[in-house]
Amino acid sequence: DQQVKQNSPSLSVQEGRISILNCDYTNSMFDYFLWYKKYPAEGPTFLISISSIKDKNEDGRFTVFLNKSAKHLSLHIVPSQPGDSAVYFCAASVSGSARQLTFGSGTQLTVLP
Amino acid sequence: DGGITQSPKYLFRKEGQNVTLSCEQNLNHDAMYWYRQDPGQGLRLIYYSQIVNDFQKGDIAEGYSVSREKKESFPLTVTSAQKNPTAFYLCASSRALGRALNYGYTFGSGTRLTVV
Repeated sequence: DQQVKQNSPSLSVQEGRISILNCDYTNSMFDYFLWYKKYPAEGPTFLISISSIKDKNEDGRFTVFLNKSAKHLSLHIVPSQPGDSAVYFCAASVSGSARQLTFGSGTQLTVLP
Repeated sequence: DGGITQSPKYLFRKEGQNVTLSCEQNLNHDAMYWYRQDPGQGLRLIYYSQIVNDFQKGDIAEGYSVSREKKESFPLTVTSAQKNPTAFYLCASSRALGRALNYGYTFGSGTRLTVV
C-alpha cells in the first residue's frame, strides 16, 4: 500500500507557464514533506520542504502548498523553464522516525520551449 | 567538496552471482540509506543505518545485505537470492535523526545493475 502517491506519471507545460505537480498521502502521522528533483542517471537533489505547521513555503520560483485536511500537497513552479524538465519526487516523514522518508513514484515534468 | 560516491556506475551480474555496490560519503553524516528505483515505482527503501555497526531492514530487504563498519561507508550486497535484481540503486545519507529533515537527504549518482 503506497502511503505517498503521485498519480500523474507525466506532465508537459509550455516554457514560461506554471507547472503544478501533485502529491497525496494517506498516513496522517506524516508531518514533514519534501520535494526532490531527479535527472536521468543521477541521484535526486533536494528542492524544497514544508512542515505540517505551515501551509505554504516559497523558495524563488518554487512554492509548496500543503492541505492537511485533504492530505494533499502540490509543488508550483513559476515560470517554468526547459531546465526544470526532470522527474519530481514527493517524500514524507514522521518526525522522530528512524526510517525517515517515504517517497512517491515520481512525475516526469517536460517543459516545452 | 563533500559528497556521496557510488561505484560502479554500471554493473553487470550473471545469474547466481553476488555483487557488492559501493557507497562512500565524506559529509560526516550519521545516517545512510539504500533505495531501489524501478520504472513507475519510485524509490523503495532496502536498508538504512543510523549509526555505525547498526542497520535496519527497509521495505524490500529480502535478497540484500549491508554492513556499516565505518561511518563513511555503507556497501550493499545483492545476493543470488534476489530474484529480480535489475534496477537502479541509489545510496543516500543524512544528518542525525531529528536534524535530517531540515536538510533532506544527499543522494549519490546511482548504480545501474543488470543481470545478464
